[in-house]
Amino acid sequence: AQTVTQSQPEMSVQEAETVTLSCTYDTSESDYYLFWYKQPPSRQMILVIRQEAYKQQNATENRFSVNFQKAAKSFSLKISDSQLGDAAMYFCAYRSANFGNEKLTFGTGTRLTIIP
Amino acid sequence: DTGVSQNPRHKITKRGQNVTFRCDPISEHNRLYWYRQTLGQGPEFLTYFQNEAQLEKSRLLSDRFSAERPKGSFSTLEIQRTEQGDSAMYLCASSWDGESNQPQHFGDGTRLSIL
Repeated sequence: AQTVTQSQPEMSVQEAETVTLSCTYDTSESDYYLFWYKQPPSRQMILVIRQEAYKQQNATENRFSVNFQKAAKSFSLKISDSQLGDAAMYFCAYRSANFGNEKLTFGTGTRLTIIP
Repeated sequence: DTGVSQNPRHKITKRGQNVTFRCDPISEHNRLYWYRQTLGQGPEFLTYFQNEAQLEKSRLLSDRFSAERPKGSFSTLEIQRTEQGDSAMYLCASSWDGESNQPQHFGDGTRLSIL
């Protein structure tokens, strides 16, 4: 079974600065997908960024980028130019690429606080 | 795209009662998922449907839990004889299988409180 570990329960960053959230995972599969989701307080979970394991190039979405290290099974999220609206719980998630195994396996989350 | 809709937003009930939640996925999405999220934890997978077929159920889904998706549209999750440990946020998500890496889109969730 796959597991996802987020070792930072809480992180804080000064507004406009850069912060990196850590995520490691364990799997015996070679093909899979990784996601970062954001869950603001009392609001729905939304996708921040995704990465296909077969792609060596790290995904980037505006101020959000990942550092995907497949051999180390590491998938960190970097948020540049942090904004107050980035404050939320951030969840790292894994999904197998095998058809019929569509469920997401989530980590325990990192609560990000933005300091004005 | 009106997003994934879940009803009710909150449900408070006494232990032992039955509850039913509804999820309306994004209209063109053929996959629908249920997750449970307890305080301070990430969501845990419960079950998922491809159209009307229930393809996978987690061990978390005890025999008191049942999910349906008639006609491959909306889905219901029923919990019979609720217990204190059922208190959680129940999240629904949907996706489209047209491409292999399609992300799941989540609803606002139904928060269940057992008295």
